[in-house]
Formats: sequence, structure tokens, C-alpha cells
Amino acid sequence: GIQVEQSPPDLILQEGANSTLRCNFSDSVNNLQWFHQNPWGQLINLFYIPSGTKQNGRLSATTVATERYSLLYISSSQTTDSGVYFCAEGLDSNYQLIWGAGTKLIIKP
Amino acid sequence: EADIYQTPRYLVIGTGKKITLECSQTMGHDKMYWYQQDPGMELHLIHYSYGVNSTEKGDLSSESTVSRIRTEHFPLTLESARPSHTSQYLCASSGQGPLGYTFGSGTRLTVV
Repeated sequence: GIQVEQSPPDLILQEGANSTLRCNFSDSVNNLQWFHQNPWGQLINLFYIPSGTKQNGRLSATTVATERYSLLYISSSQTTDSGVYFCAEGLDSNYQLIWGAGTKLIIKP
Repeated sequence: EADIYQTPRYLVIGTGKKITLECSQTMGHDKMYWYQQDPGMELHLIHYSYGVNSTEKGDLSSESTVSRIRTEHFPLTLESARPSHTSQYLCASSGQGPLGYTFGSGTRLTVV
């Protein structure tokens, strides 16, 4: 089955910095999504991005399907951006999500 | 407000106890899921359901069982808890196949 790899595993930045998180996948994707898990464990869906580019405020995501990777950009980081960012591919067969190992982001004030 | 609820939020129990983790959603979604997550790690699917009276095991082997008697309710039961069951359990539902996932806040289970 498809495998999802994320990098870097950990990222520590000062408030105000920009960051780029990467997701590589081993096969073509139809339902690639980015999630944020806050320090209290709540998971929030950020983007559905099987191809192209989307933006939502300070966050944007780009997926280059032909090269099998996706990028999540966070600009002007805030402490509330801390947490773990996951990318996941949703399977059309049984609708489960196949998850990457996540990037743990810490934004220092 | 449409949402998905998990109780309890935290649970510490002794080895051998039977426990049920509750999950309810008010969105009318047919599809519901249980994922297991060790701290800071990826999520693994342990059970899912397409609707009432439909349950399937996920990729990760689990000694837990689930039931789906009502659309809104998808409880998970451990008949005899062990320390190896210590983890976070996340319930989710979706109304658009693999999209439109909504997650509960999770239950952090510790078996001592």
C-alpha cells in the first residue's frame, strides 16, 4: 500500500519565522490532506490538497502530484501554531487515512 | 452544534479491568472510525464502520471490540485491559468518504 513520509521530524522556530514542512508519498494520491494536532491532542483538518496550491490565512499548501510530494508553508509563525502536523492519504476503498509520522513544530515566543 | 464527543478524556485503570470508551457524533455521518495513537506518533486504524450493524477491523491488530447499534454511537470495549493497551484512542467520523473527517478530542488510556 501507499507509504507517507514526512520531514523534518522536529522543528523549533522563533515566533515570526517561516517554515516549510514536506510530505513524500510512494504512489499517486487522490485524497491527500494536512492535519494539525494541537498540544492537547485535538486533530483539525487544514487542507484537502491532491494537487495544486491552496491558501488559508498564514498557511498554504502545494502538492506536486507528478513528483509525489506536498509542502505545507507556515508564515509568520505564532506560538499557537505549535503541535504536530500530519499529512495523510485517504483511501477510496474503505475511507481510512494512511498517516505520515508527523512533524513536531515548536514555536518559541 | 454538530460535533463528535469522546468520554472519558483521561482514564487510569488496573490490569484486567473491562472498559468501554464512548464515542458519539451528531452529524448523521454513516462512517465512523477508531484510531490508536502513541504520543507524537502516527495514527493507526483499529476499527471502522460504514453504518448501523457494520463493523470491520483495521490494519492494526487490536484486542478491542466495537459495536454500531445506532448511527450516532460507536463505542469501543476492552474486555481485559493490559499495560500494552496504554495509548490515546481517537474516534472520528466522515460524511464524504475519506474527506470531511471530524475527530473527537481523544481518550488517553493508562493501564497500570
